[in-house]
Amino acid sequence: GAVVSQHPSWVICKSGTSVKIECRSLDFQATTMFWYRQFPKQSLMLMATSNEGSKATYEQGVEKDKFLINHASLTLSTLTVTSAHPEDSSFYICSASEGPQANQPQHFGDGTRLSIL
Amino acid sequence: AQSVTQLDSQVPVFEEAPVELRCNYSSSVSVYLFWYVQYPNQGLQLLLKYLSGSTLVKGINGFEAEFNKSQTSFHLRKPSVHISYTAEYCCAVGGTYKYIFGTGTRLKVLA
Repeated sequence: GAVVSQHPSWVICKSGTSVKIECRSLDFQATTMFWYRQFPKQSLMLMATSNEGSKATYEQGVEKDKFLINHASLTLSTLTVTSAHPEDSSFYICSASEGPQANQPQHFGDGTRLSIL
Repeated sequence: AQSVTQLDSQVPVFEEAPVELRCNYSSSVSVYLFWYVQYPNQGLQLLLKYLSGSTLVKGINGFEAEFNKSQTSFHLRKPSVHISYTAEYCCAVGGTYKYIFGTGTRLKVLA
């Protein structure tokens, strides 16, 4: 149980393109979804938290106009990297939990490797 | 504020040997502690969690961890490892609404 599907797994695109990443909870209702970014040999860095039907809460230093998050249903959240540039290249991982409390385990997708040329 | 420290960036160990991966945390509020495993190009899989109650927590594949409040530690242990356990192991603390992750420890199991 508690499967999270993230798509696509790998994206290569030109600078200036917008890229959408989907995160789906397949067998549970995800009240809360999280988006992380991971650089090589570094820890996961939380970008934003989204609750179904509400606006996402962004961490300090994360541009909300650059990284658009939509959490329109209890099973789907999307992250759109707008006008992506090479510095946006990274590994993006989503997670989902059945509630916003920190004692609720987060279930992770397999990540999306984004490469901007 | 919370933080997590995984001092060992890499731990090599021979197959069938025991292993301990260290995790220390700091938090000013009640903590919830988690260990995840990450295989190459994959997301994180929950190994075990401490929310409350017994300080010795057992997880999947025979992994266990002990919550030590006085030493602010949550070390992960496995009595015997297999080559397939080679992966990145991440410790996380959840104190309010989000997790803080450590930088991970690469467990490399040698034949």
